[in-house]
Amino acid sequence: GAGVSQSPSNKVTEKGKDVELRCDPISGHTALYWYRQSLGQGLEFLIYFQGNSAPDKSGLPSDRFSAERTGGSVSTLTIQRTQQEDSAVYLCASSPRPGEGNEKLFFGSGTQLSVL
Amino acid sequence: QKEVEQDPGPLSVPEGAIVSLNCTYSNSAFQYFMWYRQYSRKGPELLMYTYSSGNKEDGRFTAQVDKSSKYISLFIRDSQPSDSATYLCAMKNSGNTPLVFGKGTRLSVIA
Repeated sequence: GAGVSQSPSNKVTEKGKDVELRCDPISGHTALYWYRQSLGQGLEFLIYFQGNSAPDKSGLPSDRFSAERTGGSVSTLTIQRTQQEDSAVYLCASSPRPGEGNEKLFFGSGTQLSVL
Repeated sequence: QKEVEQDPGPLSVPEGAIVSLNCTYSNSAFQYFMWYRQYSRKGPELLMYTYSSGNKEDGRFTAQVDKSSKYISLFIRDSQPSDSATYLCAMKNSGNTPLVFGKGTRLSVIA
């Protein structure tokens, strides 16, 4: 596709349920990032993939959060036993030149997650 | 104290005004500085990139970095209603480290 694609665009779930968020990066981009954007909190880094491996998971807020990437392409962010504080926009970004200072991130439009 | 501080606004200006957006930071290892623009219900897109200290100009936009003061700015000249968006500063160290973002400043340019 022409850009980073995320699905679903909106997800409403009940507290305690599990959710899966999907990211399709730009073809050929080796790096993939997940960020979370909460009202008044800005973008919070969650996890970074280089290929299928995740050298930096430091931003995952708890063990309820996990992510995987397969085939060096699609990534899934899973949140187990969702809590109301998980409500946020989850943004995915990909990059063709990871590790470089002038690395340019291309963002998707995000998944708006609402936990009731 | 967060690594990157940015006034969230909102900031409202008349069309044609000069806009100044700013961020301060605490990590002296940051070398790469960027400004992203985010329209409502969209992901951020890279607007400006600057390495180390100095100025960079691109059309109506000028980015400034003052590493001695740990302070970066984005100036928008002749602002247009289409500039209405949230502007996020972002910065990083050298090497394989993630971008650190400010909270973003919401800007409205009124026709």
